Amino acid sequence: NAGVTQTPKFQVLKTGQSMTLQCAQDMNHEYMSWYRQDPGMGLRLIHYSVGAGITDQGEVPNGYNVSRSTTEDFPLRLLSAAPSQTSVYFCASQRGGQGSYGYTFGSGTRLTVV
Amino acid sequence: EDKVVQSPLSLVVHEGDTVTLNCSYEVTNFRSLLWYKQEKKAPTFLFMLTSSGIEKKSGRLSSILDKKELFSILNITATQTGDSAVYLCAVATNDYKLSFGAGTTVTVRA
Repeated sequence: NAGVTQTPKFQVLKTGQSMTLQCAQDMNHEYMSWYRQDPGMGLRLIHYSVGAGITDQGEVPNGYNVSRSTTEDFPLRLLSAAPSQTSVYFCASQRGGQGSYGYTFGSGTRLTVV
Repeated sequence: EDKVVQSPLSLVVHEGDTVTLNCSYEVTNFRSLLWYKQEKKAPTFLFMLTSSGIEKKSGRLSSILDKKELFSILNITATQTGDSAVYLCAVATNDYKLSFGAGTTVTVRA
């Protein structure tokens, strides 16, 4: 199993550009989330989804959009990149329900906005 | 607003020492508390705790949860240089959202 796959691994954007960070999981997990990690701040929730067609905002949603048209995919869109969005982004998924274990994380995308 | 606080923020120990990491939380709709280890890339899962007083153990690592006092500890005994990492505490709520603490950076010197 591939688990949670994120692409790209690295990206440099200019201020104002848009892009999509891809996330795919092959574990048939219901729950998927996007986090950003900044130095000294742990991981902060951007958006999450409890199933296909259902998304909701997390702690820091401004400047980001998500959609969940399939169980497998949960892309994160940056609408107009800003230097404050320079960060490491992690996608994660979880099966949910009784006996479920912690989220499985992708390997991350390091984004720099100049 | 859900809050997860870890202490200390960082510590340096020598191989063979024992370390104790702390995590306190204030969340609504608590489901479980999770510990992760992060070494320059994605967090890797260590433990999930849902019941008070039941110790979870994996090799030299162990963890326990106190749901009355709202905290958890992670112990690492006989530390090795490979234990050097950031240890993250997270609390999951009933809607499966995770709130993370800022992490504790552990450095183990040979």
